[in-house]
Formats: sequence, C-alpha cells, structure tokens
Amino acid sequence: GAVVSQHPSRVICKSGTSVKIECRSLDFQATTMFWYRQFPKKSLMLMATSNEGSKATYEQGVEKDKFLINHASLTLSTLTVTSAHPEDSSFYICSAARTGDTQYFGPGTRLTVL
Amino acid sequence: AQTVTQSQPEMSVQEAETVTLSCTYDTSESDYYLFWYKQPPSRQMILVIRQEAYKQQNATENRFSVNFQKAAKSFSLKISDSQLGDAAMYFCAYRAGGTSYGKLTFGQGTILTVHP
Repeated sequence: GAVVSQHPSRVICKSGTSVKIECRSLDFQATTMFWYRQFPKKSLMLMATSNEGSKATYEQGVEKDKFLINHASLTLSTLTVTSAHPEDSSFYICSAARTGDTQYFGPGTRLTVL
Repeated sequence: AQTVTQSQPEMSVQEAETVTLSCTYDTSESDYYLFWYKQPPSRQMILVIRQEAYKQQNATENRFSVNFQKAAKSFSLKISDSQLGDAAMYFCAYRAGGTSYGKLTFGQGTILTVHP
C-alpha cells in the first residue's frame, strides 16, 4: 500500500512555456501533499504544503506565482511551473500523507528547460 | 527551528559487513517522529524506518535498526549484512508531532557505497 505516482517522469520544454506535473496517491486518500525540489546529490528542499480544498502554504523564498499548486481532491495535486526558465530545471518530487501519518513519495519528475 | 545534521557526506562498506550512519537533530518539542529514507539511483524515496520519540524501544526493520538516544538527540541507522542493493543516498528526517501538517526536515544526506 501507500503508492504515490507522478506524471510525467521527464519533461523537456522551451523557455517561457508552462509545465504541469501531477501527483496522485493511488491507494489512499491524502489529506496533505508536499512538493519538493532536489538538486543532484543534495537534500530535498520543501517548496510548499497543500491540503485538499485549500490554498497551498509556500516556504520562504518560493515564488507562489511561479509555482502554482492545486490540490483539487484527496488523491491529486498538481504543480505548474509557469513561464519556465533554465534555472527552473531540477528534479521535482511530491509526497502524500494522511493527517499525522508518514509521508510517501512519488518517483519524481525531471524538468529540463531549454 | 528544527535542524537535522548528517555529518557523514559519504560512507562505504563491504558487502555482508555492518555500517552505521549518523544523524543528530535539534528540537524543543517533546512529541516528534524520526525517519530514515533511502534514495537509490532511481531517485525514488523509500521509507526505511520510523521512530516515535515517545517510544524508548529502538525501531528495527529486518537488517535495519536505529539507535535512538533522545537525551543526546541522536538517531543513527545501522545496516547489518550490507547488500549491493543498499547502495543509495540516505536521509535522516524529523517531523513534529501533534496537529502539525507533517512537514519533514531533512538532513544533508549520506551517500552509501557498498563494495562487493
């Protein structure tokens, strides 16, 4: 149990375009989902926390107008990188959890902005 | 603010041997959880082991066990009978208990190499 999927696994886009990444909890209802960014051989950096039906809470320094997060249901959250630029290229990971429970992670999405 | 420190950027071990990864944390909370996650080359984060702070007994999961020293704020991971598949980056993580949204604070990570 506790499987989280992410789609797409890899995406390449042109500078200035927007990219949407989906995160789904497949076998449980996630009251909270988290979005992380990770650079090679570095730790995970929390970008935002989202609860179903409410606005996401962004970490300090994360541009909420650039990284749009929607948590429309208990099994789906989306991260949209708007007007992507090469510096947005990174590995993005989502996780999902029931209230007060362990976080389970998706397999990640590698974003490359040309 | 809570902090998690992994002081070993890299560790190596021979197959079938035992290795211990270190982790210390700082918190003023009394109710919290500690985790070890494994991130193999596929980059899928996998939960290895979880420890509730109120439990004195150290958690174990097959070949993985922890040494939880609450007073010292130390939470080390011992991997016994190391296997090639254990090669990965390991992250120690902290989460406050209670009614928090469950944010994890991660350490810097330790890259574990397993030699055949």
